[in-house]
Amino acid sequence: RKEVEQDPGPFNVPEGATVAFNCTYSNSASQSFFWYRQDCRKEPKLLMSVYSSGNEDGRFTAQLNRASQYISLLIRDSKLSDSATYLCVVNNDMRFGAGTRLTVKP
Amino acid sequence: GAVVSQHPSWVICKSGTSVKIECRSLDFQATTMFWYRQFPKQSLMLMATSNEGSKATYEQGVEKDKFLINHASLTLSTLTVTSAHPEDSSFYICSARWTISSYNSPLHFGNGTRLTVT
Repeated sequence: RKEVEQDPGPFNVPEGATVAFNCTYSNSASQSFFWYRQDCRKEPKLLMSVYSSGNEDGRFTAQLNRASQYISLLIRDSKLSDSATYLCVVNNDMRFGAGTRLTVKP
Repeated sequence: GAVVSQHPSWVICKSGTSVKIECRSLDFQATTMFWYRQFPKQSLMLMATSNEGSKATYEQGVEKDKFLINHASLTLSTLTVTSAHPEDSSFYICSARWTISSYNSPLHFGNGTRLTVT
């Protein structure tokens, strides 16, 4: 089993939709969690850290479920500009999975 | 803060030549930097971990003699693709961590270098 696994997608949603991605991890001792987004032909950019109590940044909500060992990213009121690949990073492993591809359509 | 600059943004070179890519941490010191490669529609692949003042640690399958890494200062790491071939054409990205002592700090990425070998 891979240390970190993501929903591969792709997710195709209409504008305004709510969409959520999950990322499971195998190391129960993991302490740090992050979501990145990567646009086509660009470098990954930090979207948000994930805190134990969950955190929100505008339309984006990140949550951590330690019992089930996964983190999630919820995007509300999707915008066309949210179209990207979303990558989770656990414990700053430095190794990225394929990410989850999101396409928001008009 | 936590800006990582990578240069050049793109480069075209002839087969057999060498190309050097620079990665700088502009407003923080980075004892460790990471080099990735990404082919179209594929995930980022970690190539090596660059350690200031010591040898880089390469991932399995990455040729250390082909991808030379030098991390001579706390703000600069370089990746040299030696004797480049068309199959080396890819998107190369570096990253660094802001706080050297904690893996709780996120990675910050350079803007990448698109290498095309003709």
